[in-house]
Amino acid sequence: EAGVAQSPRYKIIEKRQSVAFWCNPISGHATLYWYQQILGQGPKLLIQFQNNGVVDDSQLPKDRFSAERLKGVDSTLKIQPAKLEDSAVYLCASSFVTSGGYYEQYFGPGTRLTVT
Amino acid sequence: GEDVEQSLFLSVREGDSSVINCTYTDSSSTYLYWYKQEPGAGLQLLTYIFSNMDMKQDQRLTVLLNKKDKHLSLRIADTQTGDSAIYFCAESTGGGNKLTFGTGTQLKVEL
Repeated sequence: EAGVAQSPRYKIIEKRQSVAFWCNPISGHATLYWYQQILGQGPKLLIQFQNNGVVDDSQLPKDRFSAERLKGVDSTLKIQPAKLEDSAVYLCASSFVTSGGYYEQYFGPGTRLTVT
Repeated sequence: GEDVEQSLFLSVREGDSSVINCTYTDSSSTYLYWYKQEPGAGLQLLTYIFSNMDMKQDQRLTVLLNKKDKHLSLRIADTQTGDSAIYFCAESTGGGNKLTFGTGTQLKVEL
């Protein structure tokens, strides 16, 4: 089974520029998540999709961050304009509901963003 | 509010047992998880425990949960160099649908 795919793996931009990240979840996983992991910290949820609808975006800085999941499969996360504090690894995860009734999340390798 | 804390660093010798500790604050947590992150990689789910359990064993991994003290631990028996990584505990109140991660514990295994 193929895992969660993300691209690019690395990106360096200057502040005030725009950047977009792409995620392809595991086939059949209805739920997709974007996390931000700042160096030395645990991942923090930015946004969660169920199929193509947003379930939770309470921690997404909506003035500069946007995300979409058209057709309920691939997803893109965009930052415009970027700030220095956006330097982090952006992780995408997808999940399915187990027979036991809980969500098992699978993570992609992440995109490391450096804003200079 | 939700808060998950871990010690930052642990060093052990190869073959010894490692114990990584975690405390959480949300008493309504239903599932608690342990993830492993190797350099440049995403997070890999190691194991989880449901909140009505005290212990779960999975090969070299043993998870202990003290719900009264909101304390979770991960014991790795016969620790190997390949176990060197950052370990995150995470809690969920929604059956794994929304995870709150700790800060991570870096495990270093020395020969």
